[in-house]
Amino acid sequence: QKEVEQDPGPLSVPEGAIVSLNCTYSNSAFQYFMWYRQYSRKGPELLMYTYSSGNKEDGRFTAQVDKSSKYISLFIRDSQPSDSATYLCAMSTSGTYKYIFGTGTRLKVLA
Amino acid sequence: DVKVTQSSRYLVKRTGEKVFLECVQDMDHENMFWYRQDPGLGLRLIYFSYDVKMKEKGDIPEGYSVSREKKERFSLILESASTNQTSMYLCASSLTYSYNEQFFGPGTRLTVL
Repeated sequence: QKEVEQDPGPLSVPEGAIVSLNCTYSNSAFQYFMWYRQYSRKGPELLMYTYSSGNKEDGRFTAQVDKSSKYISLFIRDSQPSDSATYLCAMSTSGTYKYIFGTGTRLKVLA
Repeated sequence: DVKVTQSSRYLVKRTGEKVFLECVQDMDHENMFWYRQDPGLGLRLIYFSYDVKMKEKGDIPEGYSVSREKKERFSLILESASTNQTSMYLCASSLTYSYNEQFFGPGTRLTVL
């Protein structure tokens, strides 16, 4: 079993839809939870970062962490064609450099 | 803005060749990383460096070595390239040891024939 599981997609949605992207994990020691966005032929860039449990909102993006279920989510409201990318979740324990990445979900927002 | 640059976007090499991938960051970051990214496998850490001349193996170091002679530069070396090293290679850097945002370069798509 992988430490971090992420549905690879692809996920196709119409413009304006609410998108839900998810990761599950098995290591209860994870404390830091990140979402990266990767456009085609580019490196990943950090989108959202959450420490421990709870929600974090930034514009159209909301990150949720449910440590009891070992489940994290990224919601995108009013999705735009420019949101079309691969979304990677990443997790880390305290006091370590090491990120564990999900395999990424490919999202396509149709105009 | 942090900038991480990689020496080549696309590279084609032959089996058995020695390959150098270069990464440079301009923000005085202590930590630098080399990952490879493959479909269905995600990003896997090859090597990590937390200071000049210091390195640690990641999850898949076999067939690779690294060099960090200067703080801003981190090189990945494939001593004898093989076809199973065909992949996207991503370099990243970050500021401190524990959590801190990793900034990624644009990647090098390496094909080994």
